[in-house]
Amino acid sequence: RKEVEQDPGPFNVPEGATVAFNCTYSNSASQSFFWYRQDCRKEPKLLMSVYSSGNEDGRFTAQLNRASQYISLLIRDSKLSDSATYLCVVNARLGVSNTGKLIFGQGTTLQVKP
Amino acid sequence: DTGVSQDPRHKITKRGQNVTFRCDPISEHNRLYWYRQTLGQGPEFLTYFQNEAQLEKSRLLSDRFSAERPKGSFSTLEIQRTEQGDSAMYLCASSLGIARSLNTEAFFGQGTRLTVV
Repeated sequence: RKEVEQDPGPFNVPEGATVAFNCTYSNSASQSFFWYRQDCRKEPKLLMSVYSSGNEDGRFTAQLNRASQYISLLIRDSKLSDSATYLCVVNARLGVSNTGKLIFGQGTTLQVKP
Repeated sequence: DTGVSQDPRHKITKRGQNVTFRCDPISEHNRLYWYRQTLGQGPEFLTYFQNEAQLEKSRLLSDRFSAERPKGSFSTLEIQRTEQGDSAMYLCASSLGIARSLNTEAFFGQGTRLTVV
């Protein structure tokens, strides 16, 4: 089983739609969670960190469900410029200890159509 | 520019040759990561450093790969006897580790695209 799993998509949605991505992780002791955005042929860039209480940044909302070990990203009122790959990132565990290693999911591709 | 920089941006090499890539992290960042990415996949962890110490190396990585971070500043990734399967984007990232298991945002360089012919 992969440490971080995402549905690769692609998700094709019209402008203005609401779209949600989920990500599951296998390491129950992980403590750091992030969503990154990667545009075609560019490096990944942080979209938002994910906190236990959930957090919102404009049209983007991230949620963490520790019991079920999944992270979600909700995008409201999607724009053409939201078209990109969204990467779920979790810190890893080595034996009984957490490490600083960051593990990326495969990424979910979003295509917003006019 | 005070971001993460990687050199070279592109490298074409013949199979069997050795290549070395360099990464200069953000100056105050104590953690430095190397990842490999192929088309349609997320970045795959290769190794990471905390200061000059290499804390972990992927088991998927063969002995042909080696990385160093002398003095805890820049890092180099060397691939010996390159194979066509090594063709990928090699990404470097740095972050400020504030505790063993916690991370702040990791910033990526633009990557080195390796093509082995």
